[in-house]
Amino acid sequence: KAGVTQTPRYLIKTRGQQVTLSCSPISGHRSVSWYQQTPGQGLQFLFEYFSETQRNKGNFPGRFSGRQFSNSRSEMNVSTLELGDSALYLCASSPDRQNRGDEAFFGQGTRLTVV
Amino acid sequence: KNQVEQSPQSLIILEGKNCTLQCNYTVSPFSNLRWYKQDTGRGPVSLTIMTFSENTKSNGRYTATLDADTKQSSLHITASQLSDSASYICVVSAHGSSNTGKLIFGQGTTLQVKP
Repeated sequence: KAGVTQTPRYLIKTRGQQVTLSCSPISGHRSVSWYQQTPGQGLQFLFEYFSETQRNKGNFPGRFSGRQFSNSRSEMNVSTLELGDSALYLCASSPDRQNRGDEAFFGQGTRLTVV
Repeated sequence: KNQVEQSPQSLIILEGKNCTLQCNYTVSPFSNLRWYKQDTGRGPVSLTIMTFSENTKSNGRYTATLDADTKQSSLHITASQLSDSASYICVVSAHGSSNTGKLIFGQGTTLQVKP
């Protein structure tokens, strides 16, 4: 069974540009969440999607947005990039069964560098 | 405020030695606690997940404990190997939230195993 796939793995963008990151969850998983990881802040929750709907949202500005498609694949978009957006962006998928013991499976991440 | 604190921030041990990492949380109401291992530049990989009623869970040389009364967890690594060098992240989920929607992450403990 393939794991969570994130593309691209590395990305360099200029301030002011926008960027789109992609995440393909494990087959059969319906929940996809996005996280930002920086050395100073650790892992921070961005948002979660389930059945093409945003179910939860973290404390990030509106420049950060996402969506989920009918096949559960998800994209994350960051507009008007700032230097502080440089980070490892991680996607996690979960079956989201009623059992709360479900674990989240992470992708390898997309390393975004804003210059 | 829901928080997860880990200690120590970093740790250096010799190969073959044991070590214990600590995690204290103030997340309420508690649903489950997870330990993840994250190699540099890669996504976190789940080691254990424990619910309220579980006190101990093992995964090979990794043993996690949970004391729900004192809101403390520990991850014990036995007979460390060079490949154990990584960041170990404690993650707590609040009851009532989706599986991945509102995970609260600790800052992680960076473990370095030296030959």
